[in-house]
Amino acid sequence: SAVISQKPSRDICQRGTSLTIQCQVDSQVTMMFWYRQQPGQSLTLIATANQGSEATYESGFVIDKFPISRPNLTFSTLTVSNMSPEDSSIYLCSVMGRRWEKLFFGSGTQLSVL
Amino acid sequence: DAKTTQPNSMESNEEEPVHLPCNHSTISGTDYIHWYRQLPSQGPEYVIHGLTSNVNNRMASLAIAEDRKSSTLILHRATLRDAAVYYCILITQGGSEKLVFGKGTKLTVNP
Repeated sequence: SAVISQKPSRDICQRGTSLTIQCQVDSQVTMMFWYRQQPGQSLTLIATANQGSEATYESGFVIDKFPISRPNLTFSTLTVSNMSPEDSSIYLCSVMGRRWEKLFFGSGTQLSVL
Repeated sequence: DAKTTQPNSMESNEEEPVHLPCNHSTISGTDYIHWYRQLPSQGPEYVIHGLTSNVNNRMASLAIAEDRKSSTLILHRATLRDAAVYYCILITQGGSEKLVFGKGTKLTVNP
């Protein structure tokens, strides 16, 4: 199993600022995923982050807006840059177990942009 | 695009069985069928997964059609704590395909 600590759990930010969300895993994992979930909606994949390589972004998400770091096998960050109210959402990190047996999720970061 | 389709919502009574369907007609031979659920204000949690054979665990049962183009998550006795959004997704073990979630089924459990 994998236990994920995601920080912060929530934040209220001003328009134009940036917020970095951290995701710490208690074991080494190859693949980490970042999702966005808008109120009442399903999860939308933002990007896949593998250690030692550039993150792979999904259509509609760009590195300048959502830069991701993956310095080692247990840690990743997602930055939401130059925020606007449309970025208000829940952001979730997720990892795949080493044997690809299941996905594990963080508890999410609820972001509100004023 | 999501590879699975599920009903938007379902309703059940407490202590009754619940059958949550999922269609995945484009499933490939290496895709595992996974189910996750998301309780309010929490991240999704793993429920069960399978490849070809039906699977049971302490949370639920998974019934997989013979052609694997559909599956059903079975909660044998629904409780109020089972009220959640249930997601069915396909995962290729060891692959690098993006993990795309469909819209899920919101399960309401009536007391």
